[in-house]
Amino acid sequence: QSVLTQPPSVSGTPGQWVTLSCTGSDSNIGYYEVHWYQQLPGTAPRLLIQHNDNRASGVPDRFSGSKSGTSASLAITGLRPEDEADYYCQSYDKVLRGVVFGGGTTLTVL
Amino acid sequence: QVTLRESGPALVKPTQTLTVTCTFSGFSLTTTGMCVSWIRQAPGKAPEWLALIDWDDDKFYSASLQTRLTISKDTSKNQVVLTMTNMDAADTATYYCARLATAGAYYYYGMDVWGQGTPVTVS
Repeated sequence: QSVLTQPPSVSGTPGQWVTLSCTGSDSNIGYYEVHWYQQLPGTAPRLLIQHNDNRASGVPDRFSGSKSGTSASLAITGLRPEDEADYYCQSYDKVLRGVVFGGGTTLTVL
Repeated sequence: QVTLRESGPALVKPTQTLTVTCTFSGFSLTTTGMCVSWIRQAPGKAPEWLALIDWDDDKFYSASLQTRLTISKDTSKNQVVLTMTNMDAADTATYYCARLATAGAYYYYGMDVWGQGTPVTVS
């Protein structure tokens, strides 16, 4: 059971806009920043968004992040087939005193 | 260009100690703000953070695994080593190392460059 909760799956069609959610608590997202990673099949995670809403180097502006209270979201506009991947949110938890990841969301582009 | 590469045994027996090495280039762990983390990912599961070492040789561990983990660095070789004792089948996973480039406390930063991972099976 992950400390950060993500929906197991989300789907969309090419060109569509989708949002992936990440829900935490006061001891993690409510206090610390959120980062997002994309993991394509068979590859290592890749940093997409850092510090809640800052795109990492080379990340298209179709990807954007936001945070409000104890939740965060990753939005993808103009969905493309190559966006099909697992997406993980990450933060820090002051009760657990460690870095924590969400359980991940599998994005399917229909 | 920043790169990290993990290496270690592909197969470990239960109760043995795992030693995995992260060899990196493109940055130095003597530079203020630089950190290296270890993360593992069991098949079909989310990543799990294990440990972090920073430029000042401060070390941080997952609370649930800290009794089994030791992280260290060799700045002359640009390497970070993680040992995990008393390995069990539940420790079967791909082990990744990743860099954090920080300007403050590490827990405010994401991991911006990852290695390709090294798979470890405990059997």
